[in-house]
Amino acid sequence: SYVLTQPPSVSVAPGQTARITCGGNNIGSKSVHWYQQKPGRAPVLVVYDDSDRPSGIPERFSGSNSGNTATLTISRVEAGDEADYYCQVWDFGSDHIVFGTGTEVTVL
Amino acid sequence: EVQVLESGGDLVQPGGSLRLSCAASGFIISSYAMTWVRQAPGKGLEWVSTIRDSGGRTYYADSVKGRFTISRDNSNNTLYLQMNSLRAEDAAIYYCAKLRGSTRENAFDIWGQGTMVIVSS
Repeated sequence: SYVLTQPPSVSVAPGQTARITCGGNNIGSKSVHWYQQKPGRAPVLVVYDDSDRPSGIPERFSGSNSGNTATLTISRVEAGDEADYYCQVWDFGSDHIVFGTGTEVTVL
Repeated sequence: EVQVLESGGDLVQPGGSLRLSCAASGFIISSYAMTWVRQAPGKGLEWVSTIRDSGGRTYYADSVKGRFTISRDNSNNTLYLQMNSLRAEDAAIYYCAKLRGSTRENAFDIWGQGTMVIVSS
């Protein structure tokens, strides 16, 4: 089955840039979506189709995808960005949706 | 406002059954693919099942295939998840979500608040 690997945690100072990676075999050939989940809350879509943002999501959130790695970048990090972040793809090979292992972002 | 609202979560014994509901408002569920995602306590997100719009083709995670059934009632604009032969490892918060489009590769743009399923004797 298709596996998406994320670092368990990322720490960043306020105002700096956080980069969260999502590794998968030839992930660059797939559409990658990213979700933010704060404690006790439902996930929220922050980036879809590799690099598009839903309405209401700040421009500070951006995405890229190439080769075996997709990346979610959060610029000018704020305290309110503390959350778990998950990448997600549809794996055509298995016809399954796959979530990444999740990354906890801590703002120092 | 576009939203979905889950219900039906409960405490159930191992081997038991439960049906979850997801009432949609602000959009027509038959025009979009819909999905169920679960999250066990302290764990990550796990995809459970997806149903396409037209034709209603369904997809299941290996962990629930043969035990869970996703369906929808277009007249009530409601999505369902029938869960049979429940196991301890099925205990989780179950989220209903709408996909951005009609096909399965789309992102989940609208999520409900979740409903809790506890499997215990």
